[in-house]
Amino acid sequence: DAKTTQPPSMDCAEGRAANLPCNHSTISGNEYVYWYRQIHSQGPQYIIHGLKNNETNEMASLIITEDRKSSTLILPHATLRDTAVYYCIVRHPNYGGSQGNLIFGKGTKLSVKP
Amino acid sequence: NAGVTQTPKFQVLKTGQSMTLQCAQDMNHEYMSWYRQDPGMGLRLIHYSVGAGITDQGEVPNGYNVSRSTTEDFPLRLLSAAPSQTSVYFCASSTLDGGAEQYFGPGTRLTVT
Repeated sequence: DAKTTQPPSMDCAEGRAANLPCNHSTISGNEYVYWYRQIHSQGPQYIIHGLKNNETNEMASLIITEDRKSSTLILPHATLRDTAVYYCIVRHPNYGGSQGNLIFGKGTKLSVKP
Repeated sequence: NAGVTQTPKFQVLKTGQSMTLQCAQDMNHEYMSWYRQDPGMGLRLIHYSVGAGITDQGEVPNGYNVSRSTTEDFPLRLLSAAPSQTSVYFCASSTLDGGAEQYFGPGTRLTVT
């Protein structure tokens, strides 16, 4: 089972920031928080990941709370092309066991509206 | 480089037929995996591999076989297709670095009648 909880859907106005929340209250100290998105029926696309510190790249920012029990993905200036299902995933760094696999939940369907 | 490639893009099978979905990556990634995605659902892990000669089961392995004879290729075999295996299948790969990102292929849309 997925170890994260996300709202099933959200709307955002084009050009505004999209803030997608994720709860992961049972996260372990060495587990990463990953965000992927899936546009229509394409393969999932990696967005960003983090361990403890906030992270930023050309696509988004990831804010992780100090207790690491929740995080927020921020798309600073959402466009219509950002309409997708966004998945928040907690993953163990050790690929040698099943806990290192990406386990997808149902994600948040983000609709960016003109 | 091409990243992760999957063939075919579309396939229709009759119940009981067998087939192999192909997945290849040219990034020298040790880790590879197969997922299926049913309509309106998230992805579910079928099988995964952490290197040539090493495979293991994911969440929904029944009805599927895999092998990993090379680093580049990770084929998924359906021995006797069933309508319940109608789905979109995605392959992914990554390095074994703890914080590595996984790269996904474009998917194979399979219909079993």
